[in-house]
Amino acid sequence: GAGVSQSPRYKVAKRGQDVALRCDPISGHVSLFWYQQALGQGPEFLTYFQNEAQLDKSGLPSDRFFAERPEGSVSTLKIQRTQQEDSAVYLCASSLPGLVNEQFFGPGTRLTVL
Amino acid sequence: DAKTTQPPSMDCAEGRAANLPCNHSTISGNEYVYWYRQIHSQGPQYIIHGLKNNETNEMASLIITEDRKSSTLILPHATLRDTAVYYCIVRVAQGAQKLVFGQGTRLTINP
Repeated sequence: GAGVSQSPRYKVAKRGQDVALRCDPISGHVSLFWYQQALGQGPEFLTYFQNEAQLDKSGLPSDRFFAERPEGSVSTLKIQRTQQEDSAVYLCASSLPGLVNEQFFGPGTRLTVL
Repeated sequence: DAKTTQPPSMDCAEGRAANLPCNHSTISGNEYVYWYRQIHSQGPQYIIHGLKNNETNEMASLIITEDRKSSTLILPHATLRDTAVYYCIVRVAQGAQKLVFGQGTRLTINP
């Protein structure tokens, strides 16, 4: 079966440009997470959706970061006016509610801001 | 979530058992120990989790000390494909919970 997919896999943006990163979770997965991973570091939580509701956005680093999941399936992470410090891999994960709570991760989108 | 401490790197010979330690001395009674790994250029992958009993699945074994302050992930017969960064994470199991990753252990399997 299909896993979590993300697009694009690689994105190069000039400083100040807006970018949109897409995540297609596993079908039927209620929960969706976004993480940011800087080079050489572990992933860091950005935001969490349960269906279409954004229940936790405490990890978003600034108001330039915005995420949505309007129909409770596909999610988009948007970064406005990109800065060099936004360069990172952006990972999406989805999961079903339950005792294990295993999160299934996509391959990530590597964003490079020049 | 409780903090975890892992060695930054380890080496293991192919075919031998790889034993990855993790300290979590402030773990709470309702917190589980989870292990994920991240192979280069891929997203993290769930391996195993446990509360207080030892656990085994097709990927690995998890040994948790009786006082639950530390644990060891065991890959019984390491292969080159097990080269990855391994993350030990402590969290409650119920409900959708974000994962708090540390620096992990970079495990290199040598031929």
